[in-house]
Amino acid sequence: GAGVSQSPRYKVAKRGQDVALRCDPISGHVSLFWYQQALGQGPEFLTYFQNEAQLDKSGLPSDRFFAERPEGSVSTLKIQRTQQEDSAVYLCASSLVLGSTDTQYFGPGTRLTVL
Amino acid sequence: AQKITQTQPGMFVQEKEAVTLDCTYDTSDPSYGLFWYKQPSSGEMIFLIYQGSYDQQNATEGRYSLNFQKARKSANLVISASQLGDSAMYFCAMREVNQGGKLIFGQGTELSVKP
Repeated sequence: GAGVSQSPRYKVAKRGQDVALRCDPISGHVSLFWYQQALGQGPEFLTYFQNEAQLDKSGLPSDRFFAERPEGSVSTLKIQRTQQEDSAVYLCASSLVLGSTDTQYFGPGTRLTVL
Repeated sequence: AQKITQTQPGMFVQEKEAVTLDCTYDTSDPSYGLFWYKQPSSGEMIFLIYQGSYDQQNATEGRYSLNFQKARKSANLVISASQLGDSAMYFCAMREVNQGGKLIFGQGTELSVKP
């Protein structure tokens, strides 16, 4: 299928380790979004890109979180010096354009567990 | 204040019956979109239906319809003829055009369909 893919699906990290989460959007989708979903909660916005430009990073919880999309397709969310509170599912979504009606399509998520 | 409120943490419905999942929202932006997503236990967010703030008619997609009452700021999801495969978490979400592309999600409603 040509949906959004994410890797790894599961990641276990020791506290203090750095992790990198990858997102492959649907081919041709201009906009890419990252969300964090804590257990039992709805997803919360982290950041989004239009092509390679990061237009909004207001949801990143700390300066330990960094996202990039250097060529306007694949994106990586990096978390430095992981903490236990970073344990969550990280969801990536893409949309064709950034319009009021445009639907975001989500990947399967990466479940991060920090020990 | 919560921007998206889903007051039903859990719902039960008998197979083949209809069920309504509640969603109220809060915004001062005149242009916004409302979305419903389904999240089965596998974790992926599946887009179900969209309603724009200027749409005159309620959105419908197969067995899903959205009961949009703009003055009351509610956007309830109606699932007709429930199936066992409908058992999942359901999230209501909003995008405010003036706030960029991010989706704001509610806390979700867990729907269980009984045979």
